[in-house]
Amino acid sequence: QQQVKQSPQSLIVQKGGIPIINCAYENTAFDYFPWYQQFPGKGPALLIAIRPDVSEKKEGRFTISFNKSAKQFSLHIMDSQPGDSATYFCAAGNTPLVFGKGTRLSVIA
Amino acid sequence: DGGITQSPKYLFRKEGQNVTLSCEQNLNHDAMYWYRQDPGQGLRLIYYSQIVNDFQKGDIAEGYSVSREKKESFPLTVTSAQKNPTAFYLCASTNPRRGGYNEQFFGPGTRLTVL
Repeated sequence: QQQVKQSPQSLIVQKGGIPIINCAYENTAFDYFPWYQQFPGKGPALLIAIRPDVSEKKEGRFTISFNKSAKQFSLHIMDSQPGDSATYFCAAGNTPLVFGKGTRLSVIA
Repeated sequence: DGGITQSPKYLFRKEGQNVTLSCEQNLNHDAMYWYRQDPGQGLRLIYYSQIVNDFQKGDIAEGYSVSREKKESFPLTVTSAQKNPTAFYLCASTNPRRGGYNEQFFGPGTRLTVL
């Protein structure tokens, strides 16, 4: 009940493409769904977050889509750039957060 | 500058030694967390504390110990009982609020290597 399943493990896209990373959770009590971006050797940084009372949230080129009935949420990166190459983690819950295992994204020029 | 500091950035330990990783925050956050990161394993919770003088085990607490004597400090001790301690250790903090956007801030991490 506490797992968050994230896919794919790795993703390679061309510059300008729209990578999509998916997460699924089991615990219906979870009420906060953030995405974190991590560069090698650094701590993760919050990218964008959503609560279950909305189905979509956009911040710049990053969009979260949330499907409460399916217990799934996803991250879309519009017009991806080589600088977006990083590992992305979804999380769910409140305190403590439960993290997915991460997706390594490579954006190639 | 508000944030979380972890020290040292790199730490080398001989087998059988205990080591303590430092985590300090000046964000006035109530809750603090320790995670371990291994390649392909994501972030696994070791211990967390929601208030001073109280803490709870996470998913992989065996071989680790913590203390929370001050709100701003949450040190992690990796004991000799931890069988495979080589990893990247991350400290985080937040102010948990039900119904809110509880941004969790991470420190820069400590990379521990057992020689």
